[in-house]
Amino acid sequence: EAGVAQSPRYKIIEKRQSVAFWCNPISGHATLYWYQQILGQGPKLLIQFQNNGVVDDSQLPKDRFSAERLKGVDSTLKIQPAKLEDSAVYLCASSTPGGRQGRYGYTFGSGTRLTVV
Amino acid sequence: DQQVKQNSPSLSVQEGRISILNCDYTNSMFDYFLWYKKYPAEGPTFLISISSIKDKNEDGRFTVFLNKSAKHLSLHIVPSQPGDSAVYFCAAVGQGGKLIFGQGTELSVKP
Repeated sequence: EAGVAQSPRYKIIEKRQSVAFWCNPISGHATLYWYQQILGQGPKLLIQFQNNGVVDDSQLPKDRFSAERLKGVDSTLKIQPAKLEDSAVYLCASSTPGGRQGRYGYTFGSGTRLTVV
Repeated sequence: DQQVKQNSPSLSVQEGRISILNCDYTNSMFDYFLWYKKYPAEGPTFLISISSIKDKNEDGRFTVFLNKSAKHLSLHIVPSQPGDSAVYFCAAVGQGGKLIFGQGTELSVKP
């Protein structure tokens, strides 16, 4: 099966600019996640969607970050305006119960590396 | 509040020897744990998991041990190979299915 697709792979922007990331999950996976991984730390959940509804966005900095999941499939994550501390890898994942990826069937994309200068 | 901790940022072992990566957690409600492997410029890939009803799960060269009383799990790789060099993340499944990750341990396997 095709994996989780993310674009772009890399992005460099100046602080106060805006940026958007795109994710296409595995077909049929109802749950989609965005994680932020800062260098030297583990990934941290930003937002979780079930189909096109938000399940958990408690860790999303809503004053600058927004996300949507169109028609329960693709998702975009936007940062506006960006700060230096937003430099990180943004990982998208999708899941479905069972399968070879453990009970929760998580599959991660390759991520988008954002550098804010 | 770090609920999942990997206290060793790095580990170096000789090819053919055993690699032991450790992970501690604080929330006794966690009942499912996973290990992920991450190469540079790639997303984490699933390695092995364990449910709290077990204390051991094995898959080829990889074995995960869970000690619930100590809130501790470990990943054993035997024998270690140079291709195992990567960052390893321990994760617990939290509310709603979200993953709570440790900080990661960078494993280097030297020929």
